Amino acid sequence: GAGVSQSPRYKVAKRGQDVALRCDPISGHVSLFWYQQALGQGPEFLTYFQNEAQLDKSGLPSDRFFAERPEGSVSTLKIQRTQQEDSAVYLCASRAASSYNSPLHFGNGTRLTVT
Amino acid sequence: AQSVTQLDSHVSVSEGTPVLLRCNYSSSYSPSLFWYVQHPNKGLQLLLKYTSAATLVKGINGFEAEFKKSETSFHLTKPSAHMSDAAEYFCVVAQTGANNLFFGTGTRLTVIP
Repeated sequence: GAGVSQSPRYKVAKRGQDVALRCDPISGHVSLFWYQQALGQGPEFLTYFQNEAQLDKSGLPSDRFFAERPEGSVSTLKIQRTQQEDSAVYLCASRAASSYNSPLHFGNGTRLTVT
Repeated sequence: AQSVTQLDSHVSVSEGTPVLLRCNYSSSYSPSLFWYVQHPNKGLQLLLKYTSAATLVKGINGFEAEFKKSETSFHLTKPSAHMSDAAEYFCVVAQTGANNLFFGTGTRLTVIP
């Protein structure tokens, strides 16, 4: 079946603009994660959903970052008033179970460039 | 607290020679450990995982890793490198009960023809 799908693939935003990044997880997957990957770095955790509930948002770097998953499937990561330091690849991942040792399935990411 | 350290940021091997990518972890409790691979402009793909069963774990594409608690290591190996193995490799730790995974900084593998 289809994997995790993210859109857009690339996004260029002027400093101060708002952006919205979309993630379509694998159908039926309970858990959904957002990660931020800066150039040359490993992915860093942003936030975690179990169904529609956002159980952990400890990794969101500021209150400009907001994520939602209102119906427990598609998720949107919104960044308000983008800054240059927000430039990164944003990765979405889903997992069939809530178990911590189940593997994550990643999308190809959205590369955000803030100019 | 949990973390992983990937000891080499870049490894270069000749095609057909063995691959060794090193990873050390730090975890307060029994960890689950993973290796993921990331090809350019592609998503992360799971290579293998360790979850307290056999200490030698076999993954896809001929890769394997050995969990050594005494050395807190989880090194990734492959007997013979292929050109298609050239990619970025991430060692990852998940702690019991934790929701998120902690990634290392990655090792870029170059395979020379």
